[in-house]
Amino acid sequence: KAGVTQTPRYLIKTRGQQVTLSCSPISGHRSVSWYQQTPGQGLQFLFEYFSETQRNKGNFPGRFSGRQFSNSRSEMNVSTLELGDSALYLCASRDSIWRDRELFFGEGSRLTVL
Amino acid sequence: DAKTTQPPSMDCAEGRAANLPCNHSTISGNEYVYWYRQIHSQGPQYIIHGLKNNETNEMASLIITEDRKSSTLILPHATLRDTAVYYCIASLGSGNTGKLIFGQGTTLQVKP
Repeated sequence: KAGVTQTPRYLIKTRGQQVTLSCSPISGHRSVSWYQQTPGQGLQFLFEYFSETQRNKGNFPGRFSGRQFSNSRSEMNVSTLELGDSALYLCASRDSIWRDRELFFGEGSRLTVL
Repeated sequence: DAKTTQPPSMDCAEGRAANLPCNHSTISGNEYVYWYRQIHSQGPQYIIHGLKNNETNEMASLIITEDRKSSTLILPHATLRDTAVYYCIASLGSGNTGKLIFGQGTTLQVKP
């Protein structure tokens, strides 16, 4: 079974631009979560989607948004990029919204904002 | 989610058991203890989780104290490939959505 796939793996943007990251969960998994990882703040939860609905949201500004499609694939978008948005963005999937299920993480998309 | 406290770093000799402690003194009765690890530049990897009882799988063992205020992750025979950052997380169980609160974790260095 294929794992969680994130694209692109690396990208460089400039301040003010926007970016869209994609995540394909493990087949059969309907929940997708997004995390941001930076050296200073560590791993921080962005949001979780289940059945195309946002179920939970972390403490990030409205520039960070996401969506989930009927095939469970998810995208996240960051608008008006700032230097501080440079980070590793991780996607994780699980087969249920029950929290005692483990998360399966992808390898991440590394965003550099210049 | 309850706050967890872990030592920032630990060393372990290859082939020996690695015992990683975690304090979660404010854990509530319905919060699970999860362990994940992250090898450099990769996504976090699930290791094990438990509620009250000790747990064991092919990767590790999880020992939870009777009062549930602390736990220990045991890697029975550490290898160089076990060098990683290990995260202990206390999180609500079934019926709740979402997020895992990752702390700073413990950097485990396995040495030859």
